[in-house]
Amino acid sequence: QVHLVESGGGVVQPGRSLRLSCEASGFIFSSYAMHWVRQAPGKGLEWVTVISNDGSILYYGDSVKGRFTISRDNSKDSVYLQMNDLTSEDTAVYYCARSEGVAAGIGFDYWGQGTLVTVSS
Amino acid sequence: DIQMTQSPSSLSASVGDRVTITCRASRSINIYLNWYQQKPGKAPKLLIYKASNLQSGVPSRFSGSGSGTDFTLTIGSLQPEDFATYYCQQSYINTPFTFGPGTRVDV
Repeated sequence: QVHLVESGGGVVQPGRSLRLSCEASGFIFSSYAMHWVRQAPGKGLEWVTVISNDGSILYYGDSVKGRFTISRDNSKDSVYLQMNDLTSEDTAVYYCARSEGVAAGIGFDYWGQGTLVTVSS
Repeated sequence: DIQMTQSPSSLSASVGDRVTITCRASRSINIYLNWYQQKPGKAPKLLIYKASNLQSGVPSRFSGSGSGTDFTLTIGSLQPEDFATYYCQQSYINTPFTFGPGTRVDV
């Protein structure tokens, strides 16, 4: 059974950093691309970033480019999101999700339950 | 970037109704359009991929159609558990994997 479990969310001051983790189980983690998608309170879904199965391909949304870094450790079945220089606009529930390949042609078929990041002084 | 729009933004329906939601892309995305369902406080769930393919485990009352720029999600006979928000998403261009603004279906 596929499971994705995010952790690391919390309250952080503007300008500070936070690192999210997503631990996977129930599938061959090294065969899948992994994404982070966020949802601000009461708002829609915003794709944030993706990393290919082997970590060689990374893409970022414009709103986080240069501030966020995605990485993965296939030996730990985990993907990470390092978030720097946070602003109130980054306040959201952050979900990790998987896809078959970076192209994600068949969508994000499994999602974690999400972790809430609140940026506030 | 490809922009996605959805209509309507919300709708009221009753159990047993046939419901249709439309998604439009700002330029052609071939058939690379996915649909998700999200209930309050929960993660999104993939319903349809590549415009018309039903994800495993999703009831057959859900169907999708379209290609190019115009797509439709249809719920054949609305059930109580279908009251939720529905999002389309393009996966034609690698990034960003743009989502539509969502359509809320309620009573």
